[in-house]
Amino acid sequence: KQEVTQIPAALSVPEGENLVLNCSFTDSAIYNLQWFRQDPGKGLTSLLLIQSSQREQTSGRLNASLDKSSGRSTLYIAASQPGDSATYLCASPRGKSSGDKLTFGTGTRLAVRP
Amino acid sequence: DAGVTQSPTHLIKTRGQQVTLRCSPKSGHDTVSWYQQALGQGPQFIFQYYEEEERQRGNFPDRFSGHQFPNYSSELNVNALLLGDSALYLCASNLAVGVETQYFGPGTRLLVL
Repeated sequence: KQEVTQIPAALSVPEGENLVLNCSFTDSAIYNLQWFRQDPGKGLTSLLLIQSSQREQTSGRLNASLDKSSGRSTLYIAASQPGDSATYLCASPRGKSSGDKLTFGTGTRLAVRP
Repeated sequence: DAGVTQSPTHLIKTRGQQVTLRCSPKSGHDTVSWYQQALGQGPQFIFQYYEEEERQRGNFPDRFSGHQFPNYSSELNVNALLLGDSALYLCASNLAVGVETQYFGPGTRLLVL
């Protein structure tokens, strides 16, 4: 059974700082690892999806890496902005399809101070 | 191109009542999944519907049931509501074939008093 853990639970940084969010998973035979953003009381927005055969994915100021052997993924946010304030969740599908049930971490709540 | 839509946005019920939540998938998608997200927690998978049948189910009691219609829209029903059912209920859709991720709707906030 896949278990996903995110550390830290909350993070507060000043604007402009580079930061790293961590995600750990117990089953290294994952199909992919996804990072989502969630604004308070809202739905989830997909940020990055890393296939099991990939090591990293980049989108703008975001870079996500995947190390299956150590069971870890990181989300790197460069030059953080107040608009980045949100909860960031990582998730992995149970089976061999992106449409399979997703197992989520509990999230990291990020606050970027102006 | 409409994304995933859910209704209602907010709902208040009392213990013991029944509730129905609705979801319309993203255009072109044929699979709908439901998740429950308690405050401060990550979403928990409830079940998934494809071709009008429940295909996968998470660790939720039979009080939670669902349905998928021929137009791929879906309903989540919860009977005999408990205080602990208060949560944000998220619907996600995807195409059964392919590598695309699931797209999530804005959610329905349910409060049980």
